[in-house]
Amino acid sequence: AQSVTQLDSQVPVFEEAPVELRCNYSSSVSVYLFWYVQYPNQGLQLLLKYLSGSTLVKGINGFEAEFNKSQTSFHLRKPSVHISDTAEYFCAVSEAAYSGGGADGLTFGKGTHLIIQP
Amino acid sequence: EPEVTQTPSHQVTQMGQEVILRCVPISNHLYFYWYRQILGQKVEFLVSFYNNEISEKSEIFDDQFSVERPDGSNFTLKIRSTKLEDSAMYFCASSARGRGAPDTQYFGPGTRLTVL
Repeated sequence: AQSVTQLDSQVPVFEEAPVELRCNYSSSVSVYLFWYVQYPNQGLQLLLKYLSGSTLVKGINGFEAEFNKSQTSFHLRKPSVHISDTAEYFCAVSEAAYSGGGADGLTFGKGTHLIIQP
Repeated sequence: EPEVTQTPSHQVTQMGQEVILRCVPISNHLYFYWYRQILGQKVEFLVSFYNNEISEKSEIFDDQFSVERPDGSNFTLKIRSTKLEDSAMYFCASSARGRGAPDTQYFGPGTRLTVL
């Protein structure tokens, strides 16, 4: 089984400042890692994902994340935030199964509410 | 851009009643999922579905829950006898590929279920 910890429930940041949202995971097997964003009254939208390869992953809206296996972390970063980035951000993992049919569910963290202050 | 849709957006029901939440996954997707989010808590996986059968389910998905793909487009979640603690936002998701060829799960906007 996997678990995800998002250390900050709320992160206030001034507009145009950089931000980092922290995510740590626990798993006994290899995992895939995801960041989703939820804007008010909307569903979850994928920001970026790590499946394999380069540990630095770039996503939509200028976000990037770095997979650190030794730290079991997948922190999300953006160099300069905008008012429109105000949303709930969820880190998620799934087991990296290399065979077999079917599909695995995602295990989510509790989310981080990013608040952009003008 | 294709998207997952869910109906209704908000469902209010009395405790003990049956509810059916409906989802239309993206048309060429083969894998389907239900998640729920109790207010203030994390999004939790309920069940995944592929090839007309359940692929994986969590401990939450007990005998009160069932899923069905009644036709070529809809994917439903039924709760047979709702309890107060079933009040939550329910998200449907779909993906083109599953285990072994990981893919993005695309989420719908959710159905807010309120059990009175």
